[in-house]
Amino acid sequence: GQQVMQIPQYQHVQEGEDFTTYCNSSTTLSNIQWYKQRPGGHPVFLIQLVKSGEVKKQKRLTFQFGEAKKNSSLHITATQTTDVGTYFCAGLGSNDYKLSFGAGTTVTVRA
Amino acid sequence: DVKVTQSSRYLVKRTGEKVFLECVQDMDHENMFWYRQDPGLGLRLIYFSYDVKMKEKGDIPEGYSVSREKKERFSLILESASTNQTSMYLCASSKQGADTQYFGPGTRLTVL
Repeated sequence: GQQVMQIPQYQHVQEGEDFTTYCNSSTTLSNIQWYKQRPGGHPVFLIQLVKSGEVKKQKRLTFQFGEAKKNSSLHITATQTTDVGTYFCAGLGSNDYKLSFGAGTTVTVRA
Repeated sequence: DVKVTQSSRYLVKRTGEKVFLECVQDMDHENMFWYRQDPGLGLRLIYFSYDVKMKEKGDIPEGYSVSREKKERFSLILESASTNQTSMYLCASSKQGADTQYFGPGTRLTVL
């Protein structure tokens, strides 16, 4: 079945710096979703990307869907302590009917 | 707002016990999911259900079974708990299989 890989597994960021986390699929995706799980919490939906090359922004977060619809990225600018948590991507393959989650990128922030 | 609730936040059981984890959603969603979350392994799908009394195996169904007798309720059953089933268990629901998933707060199960 389809596999979704996320890199890096861990991201340690200085407060105020930018960083990017990546999501790669072995197959073409119909759409990709991003979720955030705060420490001690549960995953919460952030955004969905559907179109090739699509870019969406939520304040300091920029989400991008690759032209080939096989990869996606999340870029955070001016990282804050509120950005701490694990970010998951979840993809829907062209022939699938349920999402496949990546292993997540766990972000810690140094003040 | 969608609300997904799980029967316990923390649970401690002994090896060999039968364990029931229950999940209830209040938004009339067709699909419900059970995941386990372990450090470094992300969310792994155990079972999901796309309708009442319907179920499909996920990626790691061994040692688990499920029951969905009513649309709003999805139960995960560990027939004979083992220590390697110590984990965080997350339930989720969605309108359709590809739609946004709404997660419950999770149950941290410890098997001694």
